[in-house]
Amino acid sequence: SQKIEQNSEALNIQEGKTATLTCNYTNYSPAYLQWYRQDPGRGPVFLLLIRENEKEKRKERLKVTFDTTLKQSLFHITASQPADSATYLCADNNNDMRFGAGTRLTVKP
Amino acid sequence: GAVVSQHPSWVICKSGTSVKIECRSLDFQATTMFWYRQFPKQSLMLMATSNEGSKATYEQGVEKDKFLINHASLTLSTLTVTSAHPEDSSFYICSAPGQVGTEAFFGQGTRLTVV
Repeated sequence: SQKIEQNSEALNIQEGKTATLTCNYTNYSPAYLQWYRQDPGRGPVFLLLIRENEKEKRKERLKVTFDTTLKQSLFHITASQPADSATYLCADNNNDMRFGAGTRLTVKP
Repeated sequence: GAVVSQHPSWVICKSGTSVKIECRSLDFQATTMFWYRQFPKQSLMLMATSNEGSKATYEQGVEKDKFLINHASLTLSTLTVTSAHPEDSSFYICSAPGQVGTEAFFGQGTRLTVV
């Protein structure tokens, strides 16, 4: 079956370090992958979208990569701050959008 | 960007009663709306897809008679949880897809507690 997965449930890092989150997909080839941020009790907020023919996309301290060989997208936050602490979700862009389980990032001061 | 307004943000109801959740697209027309349920520390699980002017499409395992979806106009989709039970307590979120190749727009979510 088609799956989109985030294998790390939680990630703890020190302020100033780079956080790297992983999203893998199996048994299909999404045309796009998206990353969202979700704070407790709130709906997801869109961060970045990357197409399968794009290897990398950046937005301020955020960077997303898309590796169709590894069937993987990496999401990086550089110079992380405690305010970056949240759950980060990857999603595909099919008609019925599917989400990974999310990775809860905690940035410690 | 486009805005999806979801109401109410939280609701507490008694077992056996029904609760309606509304999602409105404020500055665009949404022919499709996705409804998700999210349990604590879990990801969003797609429940159903509502389409303006036609019947909703439900995911496997989701009871369509219990979770009634209506998409009567291009700016409003509603989810009614009928005969609610404590196990229906969850966080419900709607989203409207953008154009192909763009992001989806999410409502603020509704925290439903059934007592």
